[in-house]
Amino acid sequence: AQSVSQHNHHVILSEAASLELGCNYSYGGTVNLFWYVQYPGQHLQLLLKYFSGDPLVKGIKGFEAEFIKSKFSFNLRKPSVQWSDTAEYFCAVSTMEYGNKLVFGAGTILRVKS
Amino acid sequence: GAVVSQHPSRVICKSGTSVKIECRSLDFQATTMFWYRQFPKQSLMLMATSNEGSKATYEQGVEKDKFLINHASLTLSTLTVTSAHPEDSSFYICSAPYDNEQFFGPGTRLTVL
Repeated sequence: AQSVSQHNHHVILSEAASLELGCNYSYGGTVNLFWYVQYPGQHLQLLLKYFSGDPLVKGIKGFEAEFIKSKFSFNLRKPSVQWSDTAEYFCAVSTMEYGNKLVFGAGTILRVKS
Repeated sequence: GAVVSQHPSRVICKSGTSVKIECRSLDFQATTMFWYRQFPKQSLMLMATSNEGSKATYEQGVEKDKFLINHASLTLSTLTVTSAHPEDSSFYICSAPYDNEQFFGPGTRLTVL
């Protein structure tokens, strides 16, 4: 079965700092990859997704992620974070073999100091 | 975009009672819905797949008789936690697929005393 690991559980940054959140998955076949965000008191929202094609995916609110197949990674990046990016971020993977069900990482809580 | 609602948002119950949580797709139909459980500082764990018109599919280790799922219509799935115990206290989240994307409900915080 596939699994997803996120490297940091808590990240604290100052506004305008660059962000990179690590995500690695374990599965040898074709995967669909996702980043979700959960703002305080709100439900999970999709930031971006990768199914195929260009491994550099751009999402909402200036986020992007790069799929590196050789490293089984799908790291999330943002060049300059804002206070409003304070949230919890989840990486997730799905595969056809597993019925396209989402398997989530443990999440990374990002706090941006203003 | 597609909206998924859950009710209630919070529930506190006594040990031994049953609690029903509703998941609704408000502006689209969903033949399939997913139920997740989230422990503090941990990931969302898929519990089961709710299928309209047929039995739910449970993930390994999830007790079917404990977590009853009924997908009554194309817009409603319910999760009933039967004979709740304090260890069932958790955050329960549902999702429904629409247009190749999963849309999540806001979650239900269950506290069993």
